[in-house]
Amino acid sequence: DAGVTQSPTHLIKTRGQQVTLRCSPKSGHDTVSWYQQALGQGPQFIFQYYEEEERQRGNFPDRFSGHQFPNYSSELNVNALLLGDSALYLCASSPTGGGNNEQFFGPGTRLTVL
Amino acid sequence: AQTVTQSQPEMSVQEAETVTLSCTYDTSESNYYLFWYKQPPSRQMILVIRQEAYKQQNATENRFSVNFQKAAKSFSLKISDSQLGDTAMYFCAFMKHVPGTYKYIFGTGTRLKVLA
Repeated sequence: DAGVTQSPTHLIKTRGQQVTLRCSPKSGHDTVSWYQQALGQGPQFIFQYYEEEERQRGNFPDRFSGHQFPNYSSELNVNALLLGDSALYLCASSPTGGGNNEQFFGPGTRLTVL
Repeated sequence: AQTVTQSQPEMSVQEAETVTLSCTYDTSESNYYLFWYKQPPSRQMILVIRQEAYKQQNATENRFSVNFQKAAKSFSLKISDSQLGDTAMYFCAFMKHVPGTYKYIFGTGTRLKVLA
């Protein structure tokens, strides 16, 4: 079992560009959540996908969008990048309904916006 | 809205000693779950221990135990016999079920350094 995987590991973009981050959930998991973790901070919830639909959304602008595919993998897209979007982006997965209430996290994608 | 507060940004402990990390939370919910997650320098977040709010007994996982005080909305983590591998960021998290899914809220973390 590969666990939750994310790609790429690191990414450098410039202001105004667009970025796509990818996540494959742990085998058997169908719910994917995305978090933004600024340096020295805790993860901030962006949104959650289940059955290819956005089920919940945190306090993030519409520049942040996502998608879930039939195989449960997910993408996070950020448009019109700002310097403040520089962060570690974490993907977490869980079974339907939260399972044993534990989320499994991926290693993250470090995004740097110059 | 729920909030999670970790008031200790950094802590250190000597190897083999015991350390307690603090967490308080605010909620009007009666049914929820609390977690401690560990994020080592390699970044991957892993679950340390979980506590269901309806359970009065404090959770224990090997060297890790919690002191859950529901009325005080306090959820501290005790690490006994600290090891160098315990060096990491520790995040307290609150989770509740919402219609059709669940919602997690994390604290800002405590950076723990275990000293040789």
